[in-house]
Parts: sequence; C-alpha cells; structure tokens
Amino acid sequence: GDSVTQMEGPVTLSEEAFLTINCTYTATGYPSLFWYVQYPGEGLQLLLKATKADDKGSNKGFEATYRKETTSFHLEKGSVQVSDSAVYFCAWNTGNQFYFGTGTSLTVIP
Amino acid sequence: KAGVTQTPRYLIKTRGQQVTLSCSPISGHRSVSWYQQTPGQGLQFLFEYFSETQRNKGNFPGRFSGRQFSNSRSEMNVSTLELGDSALYLCASSPPGGITEAFFGQGTRLTVV
Repeated sequence: GDSVTQMEGPVTLSEEAFLTINCTYTATGYPSLFWYVQYPGEGLQLLLKATKADDKGSNKGFEATYRKETTSFHLEKGSVQVSDSAVYFCAWNTGNQFYFGTGTSLTVIP
Repeated sequence: KAGVTQTPRYLIKTRGQQVTLSCSPISGHRSVSWYQQTPGQGLQFLFEYFSETQRNKGNFPGRFSGRQFSNSRSEMNVSTLELGDSALYLCASSPPGGITEAFFGQGTRLTVV
C-alpha cells in the first residue's frame, strides 16, 4: 500500500559532517515529495519540497532530489551544525492526504 | 501572517473522560487536517476537513471525531479516553488548490492518566 520508508535513527554526527537521510516512497500516480523538520516541543516545519521528477528542493543548506526511477527523495546536507539537531520526516501527497515516514532523529555534537 | 494556532498546548485527562482540541488555521486556508503523533506509531492521519465537510478519514475508532466551522476553525473530540490516546495531536492547514502543502501548529500534548 501507500507508504514512506525512512532511514531509522537515531543519527549522531559531529559538527561539519556530511548528512544523508534515506527516504523511499510507495505511491500511485505522481506525488509531491516533502521533508519536514520537528524541533523539540514544536510542530512540523516544511524544510523543502519537490513536485515533479528530477526536481531538486533546497533550503538552509539541505537538498533532496525527486528520483522517480528509484522512488527516492534522500535528504542531504554537506556540513551539519548543532542547530540542525531535530527530527526529520519524509512525506508525500497527491493532493488529498499526506503520508509521513516514521521520522529520523538527528543529533549533531560540537 | 499568523500561523496555525492550537489550543490548549497541554492537557491532562483521566481515563473515560472526553476532550476537545481546537485549531485555528492560517487566514485564507480552508482545509484543516489532524494527525496523532506517538513515539511508536509516528504520525498518523486522523481526518481532513474542507468547508465544514469531512473529506477524508484515517483508520481511527469512532471515539475520534471532528468538525469544522464556517470560519475554518476546527475542533477534534476524543470520547471515552484511553491511556493509549496519550499523544501529540497536530493540526495542519493547507492553502486553496488542494492539499499541496501543509502548515502545522505546535500541537496539543494530551496525557491520559
């Protein structure tokens, strides 16, 4: 069925390390793809999105490319900061409902 | 522009009670969705309202219900609370043109004791 499979955490990185969080989706049609971030005690904030194949979403140094052939939308950042510590959620929708992954907790240590 | 506002932020209830949570969407947004977030299940879709009509519903028991008012504000109600209903309840509003993007509130943390 429709779903999102996201790399399990928790992930712990040193400051300035490279980050990859894997995400693959199972969906019918041509969904839009999203990454949301949740800081402690907060709701979800949109980090970036891509609405069609080969689109690259980017924001605050984070990037993800919509790969239709591999049904993937992996999140990357070249150099993480302590302030990036949060939970990251991959999601998709087809204009009717959002489907979220289980979230990946990231901790960046100085 | 004000964001999505959820009230209250925190609630403690006892088993068997009922609870009502409120969500005010971003001005101009007519779609409101509700999600339950728990450590074990992640984010699970409860229901979505548009123009006072429930358009979509997740796989939750009938104890979970909602409604939307003419000003797009929404409420969700949980009756006969169970310990397992303890969760963060998130509301999201979406701009006109389909649910192409969701803007979330800070959530209501419900604890059932």
